[in-house]
Amino acid sequence: EAGVTQFPSHSVIEKGQTVTLRCDPISGHDNLYWYRRVMGKEIKFLLHFVKESKQDESGMPNNRFLAERTGGTYSTLKVQPAELEDSGVYFCASSQFVGGGYGYTFGSGTRLTVV
Amino acid sequence: KQEVTQIPAALSVPEGENLVLNCSFTDSAIYNLQWFRQDPGKGLTSLLLIQSSQREQTSGRLNASLDKSSGRSTLYIAASQPGDSATYLCAAAGPGNQFYFGTGTSLTVIP
Repeated sequence: EAGVTQFPSHSVIEKGQTVTLRCDPISGHDNLYWYRRVMGKEIKFLLHFVKESKQDESGMPNNRFLAERTGGTYSTLKVQPAELEDSGVYFCASSQFVGGGYGYTFGSGTRLTVV
Repeated sequence: KQEVTQIPAALSVPEGENLVLNCSFTDSAIYNLQWFRQDPGKGLTSLLLIQSSQREQTSGRLNASLDKSSGRSTLYIAASQPGDSATYLCAAAGPGNQFYFGTGTSLTVIP
C-alpha cells in the first residue's frame, strides 16, 4: 500500500509569492488532514477534509491559506501571498475512519521557507 | 483547549539503557493517544496507538501506557540502541479527531 505522498519536499519562495503544496492520501482514505510545524513550536492542526468537504478548518491561520480537495482525492494547500511567518514544515495525514481506534498515516512533509 | 507537554525536551543515554519518555495532557476527554517518531528531515512514523479505553500497548521493545484520569502517558523503550535516536512525539486525539501534539523529546542513544 502506498503511503501518504507530499510534494514538493522542499520549497523556497520569496515573500509575496504564491506556493501550492500537494498531498496524495492513501487510496480509499476519506479523511485528510493538514498540519504544520513552525520553528520551535509544536505541530498544529490546520484543517480536516472528509472526502471533498471541509469538516473542520478551525486551525487555518488566516485567509491567505486556501485548501481544496476536488473530487475527494488529492488535496492542495495554497498560500497566497506568502509571508515570512509561514515558513515551517507542512504535514498531510490521512485515515480511513475517525474515532478512538484509528490513527493517522502521515506524509513526509513539505518544508516551506519564505525569504 | 487541549495542551500536551512532553518532558524532558532532550535526553541522552548510553546504549542498552532502558528509558521512559513522559507526556501529559490537560483534557482527559481524548479518543486516543498516539506516539510518533520523527527522524531528521523525515515525516512522522506511528509507533503505538492507545485507545481511550486501553491502559497500554506494546510493540517489540516499546511499551506505551495511558492514564486518562491523571492526564499522563509514558513511552518505555527497553534496551535502547543507537538506531532509536530520533524525536519522539505524543499526540492526543480530541472529539473533533484532530491531534494535539507535544513539542517532542529528542533522544540520543550513545554507542
